[in-house]
Amino acid sequence: DTGVSQDPRHKITKRGQNVTFRCDPISEHNRLYWYRQTLGQGPEFLTYFQNEAQLEKSRLLSDRFSAERPKGSFSTLEIQRTEQGDSAMYLCASSLARSSLAKNIQYFGAGTRLSVL
Amino acid sequence: EDQVTQSPEALRLQEGESSSLNCSYTVSGLRGLFWYRQDPGKGPEFLFTLYSAGEEKEKERLKATLTKKESFLHITAPKPEDSATYLCAVCEGGSEKLVFGKGMKLTVNP
Repeated sequence: DTGVSQDPRHKITKRGQNVTFRCDPISEHNRLYWYRQTLGQGPEFLTYFQNEAQLEKSRLLSDRFSAERPKGSFSTLEIQRTEQGDSAMYLCASSLARSSLAKNIQYFGAGTRLSVL
Repeated sequence: EDQVTQSPEALRLQEGESSSLNCSYTVSGLRGLFWYRQDPGKGPEFLFTLYSAGEEKEKERLKATLTKKESFLHITAPKPEDSATYLCAVCEGGSEKLVFGKGMKLTVNP
């Protein structure tokens, strides 16, 4: 399978705990995105990387959220001191862009469903 | 104000009953409009991307069209396996993020 891979698929945690999710993009894709989706809503953008550089962050990304893409390949999204409002599906996507005008087709993984009790 | 509005929010069709889904958007400098399909518990699956008014794309029973203010996803003779949530998203000039609508849940009954 050469699609976007996310791990774990499900995570249940207690309020106040830290959690970390991993995303492996499609190989060769230089851009990687994180989105959050709650029930009945479309995905909401959190942040994106081009190679290892984090180029855009949403105001939704509070200080408790941090994302990394250390070698320009896989990425991790960490949530510290989780709150019940963090319960959502966290989606990762990747795309291949060779220039700023390149077609930005993003391919999504299956997501990590987080439940904060 | 929502940048992307999808209607209707939900739609029930009988197998073979054609219909259209609407996506209206208010962004400046549209770089692209995207349609995705999402099944329960899964990530969005890419369907189409449209870049300029007048453009059309087709795939099996689906056809997407684009004007300066909206896009339509036409479903011809749908089958039960077309049941899913259809998401519309736009990419605005100066950004790489996709801005999604809330989605439209389609149910096709046999």
